[in-house]
Amino acid sequence: QSALTQPASVSGSPGQSITISCTGSSSDVGAYNYVSWYQLHPGKAPKLMIYDVSNRPSGVSNRFSGFKSANTASLTISGLQPEDEADYYCSSFTSSSTLAYVFGTGTKVTVL
Amino acid sequence: QVQLVQSGAEVKNPGASVMVSCKASRNTFTGYHIHWVRQAPGQGLEWMGCININNGGTRYAQEFQGRVTVTRDTSITTASMELSGLISDDTALYYCAGEVGVTKNFHLWGQGTLVTVSS
Repeated sequence: QSALTQPASVSGSPGQSITISCTGSSSDVGAYNYVSWYQLHPGKAPKLMIYDVSNRPSGVSNRFSGFKSANTASLTISGLQPEDEADYYCSSFTSSSTLAYVFGTGTKVTVL
Repeated sequence: QVQLVQSGAEVKNPGASVMVSCKASRNTFTGYHIHWVRQAPGQGLEWMGCININNGGTRYAQEFQGRVTVTRDTSITTASMELSGLISDDTALYYCAGEVGVTKNFHLWGQGTLVTVSS
């Protein structure tokens, strides 16, 4: 089971929109609507930003949105803000016999 | 809302075992699954295994099968992860993460525990 594929880095200016892709397979992203996204700031606990492909937990800004088509999910951050600069990881439940959840390779978001 | 509080940093020799604990800050985490995820320096997140807090059922990633054991105490306030046969590649930040019910996502996270394997 390989990690889900994400771009290593994405950047944008304040106020712009960026999209991070997350490509898996028919055993994970394509098979289930259990794709979630996590924000990691150095020294802080990871934070759930999106669950079940497109749902936001209470307290997460509506500038964050998720989508999925076939084996690829995506996270869009609209109206980019300096505090959005962080690492982002997607995750999916998987039917693999070797593990239950697979994470993406991670994307560093830089606010220019 | 429950918060997850992890035990402190550990330094271990190769071949040793390490146990990391994860405690519910308020009450218990009955009804949760507690997962363990690690991040090696400069690497991504890696799912290791999980425990159903209610019935103690576990599932592990094949990569760690035979080396990792996840348990919970009978008061259901603490979950622990033990990793044996440590090698330098096990040097990482280890997180516990809480799944509420069977929601297939990690809603709560501990602050992370740094485990360093070095002779």
